[in-house]
Amino acid sequence: EPEVTQTPSHQVTQMGQEVILRCVPISNHLYFYWYRQILGQKVEFLVSFYNNEISEKSEIFDDQFSVERPDGSNFTLKIRSTKLEDSAMYFCASSRTHGGTDTQYFGPGTRLTVL
Amino acid sequence: ILNVEQSPQSLHVQEGDSTNFTCSFPSSNFYALHWYRWETAKSPEALFVMTLNGDEKKKGRISATLNTKEGYSYLYIKGSQPEDSATYLCAFHTGTASKLTFGTGTRLQVTL
Repeated sequence: EPEVTQTPSHQVTQMGQEVILRCVPISNHLYFYWYRQILGQKVEFLVSFYNNEISEKSEIFDDQFSVERPDGSNFTLKIRSTKLEDSAMYFCASSRTHGGTDTQYFGPGTRLTVL
Repeated sequence: ILNVEQSPQSLHVQEGDSTNFTCSFPSSNFYALHWYRWETAKSPEALFVMTLNGDEKKKGRISATLNTKEGYSYLYIKGSQPEDSATYLCAFHTGTASKLTFGTGTRLQVTL
């Protein structure tokens, strides 16, 4: 069964460093998402992406964040200058359509630890 | 700001017990409710997408109901097994935006 994959599974970085989190969505999906979960808090939406542009973003997704689909298979989240509060589990998801009745399939997450 | 709440926060049952949890969501702007099962170190697994008031869906020993008028959904597990141990997440979709708004999750532990 097709699945969303994410690399790395765990990333440790120093505050102020740039990190790139990578995702390979399901191949025939057109919509891509990033969510995150800070320990002890709810899973929260960051950004959605369609047709090579951001379709929606949350207040969390400020200028420090960017997303890209550099080729036909990868979807990346870049954090330019990490802060301690960026420590979280970051999930990538994909869906075939935009509609709310379509399932968003999630990857296993990347745990980002900022020291 | 959409508020999606789940209760209880955690639950510990014995093998064979049946259990249920609640997801509460805004009854206005409802479009769909998603249930996920999330085991540690694995991808959250989609269980159900529910859209219609009165909907009831079933997958093996797990079933879910939906009441959009009062803004809640129940997830039931019949005859819990240790492999059911996971966090169960519900997520609300308004239909006008692309995002899912998640609840706090219910952490279920099933022991022998």
